[in-house]
Amino acid sequence: DAGITQSPRHKVTETGTPVTLRCHQTENHRYMYWYRQDPGHGLRLIHYSYGVKDTDKGEVSDGYSVSRSKTEDFLLTLESATSSQTSVYFCAIGVAGGNEQFFGPGTRLTVL
Amino acid sequence: GENVEQHPSTLSVQEGDSAVIKCTYSDSASNYFPWYKQELGKRPQLIIDIRSNVGEKKDQRIAVTLNKTAKHFSLHITETQPEDSAVYFCAANPGAGSYQLTFGKGTKLSVIP
Repeated sequence: DAGITQSPRHKVTETGTPVTLRCHQTENHRYMYWYRQDPGHGLRLIHYSYGVKDTDKGEVSDGYSVSRSKTEDFLLTLESATSSQTSVYFCAIGVAGGNEQFFGPGTRLTVL
Repeated sequence: GENVEQHPSTLSVQEGDSAVIKCTYSDSASNYFPWYKQELGKRPQLIIDIRSNVGEKKDQRIAVTLNKTAKHFSLHITETQPEDSAVYFCAANPGAGSYQLTFGKGTKLSVIP
C-alpha cells in the first residue's frame, strides 16, 4: 500500500465549517495528489504537489486549498465546507516521475 | 487539456468469457496509460500500464493494447472470474513529461458465475 495513510477516514460536518484532511506517506515520494471521487465522475484531481511548498491546482480546485510543509504530509483544507463537497477523497503518491500513482485508503466526507 | 473517454460504463459477462474495456484520449503527446481496479469500498489499485513505445503488454489474464494513431487503448481480461468484478478506470497523462493523470469515468464489470 506504498505506506500511505489518510486521516480521518470518515467525517461528518456541517455547512460552513472548515475541514482539513491529512495524507501521510513514509517513503519520501516527491509527488502527491488529492482527488475526489463522485458517482458518474470518476476520479478528479483537486490539487497536487511536486515538492515541499510546491503545489498547483487541478481540475476541480475551487473551494479547496492545500499545504505541504514536509515531504511526508500533504494537507487538503476546505475553508468553508458546502454540501457539494460531500465526496470520497483519495490521496495518492506518484513514482516514476509521478505517472505511476498509488492511492491511500480514502476519506469519506459528508457535509450536512 | 487531456480528455479521456471510457466505454462501456457497465459490462456484464459470464464467468470464463472475455471482457474488453476501451478508452480514447485527446492529447497526442500523452505517453503513459495505466489501468486501475477498484473493488467496492476500496482504493483504486494499479493493475497494468503501458507506455507509448509499445503496442501491447500482458500480465497473466490481463492485457492492454495501445493504438497511438487512433488515440485509443483497451483493457482485455480473459477467462474472467467472479473476483474480477469491480470498477475499472483508465487514465492518461496529459502530455509527455506531465506527472498528472486524467481518468476516465470508469466501467463497472460484473462477472456472473
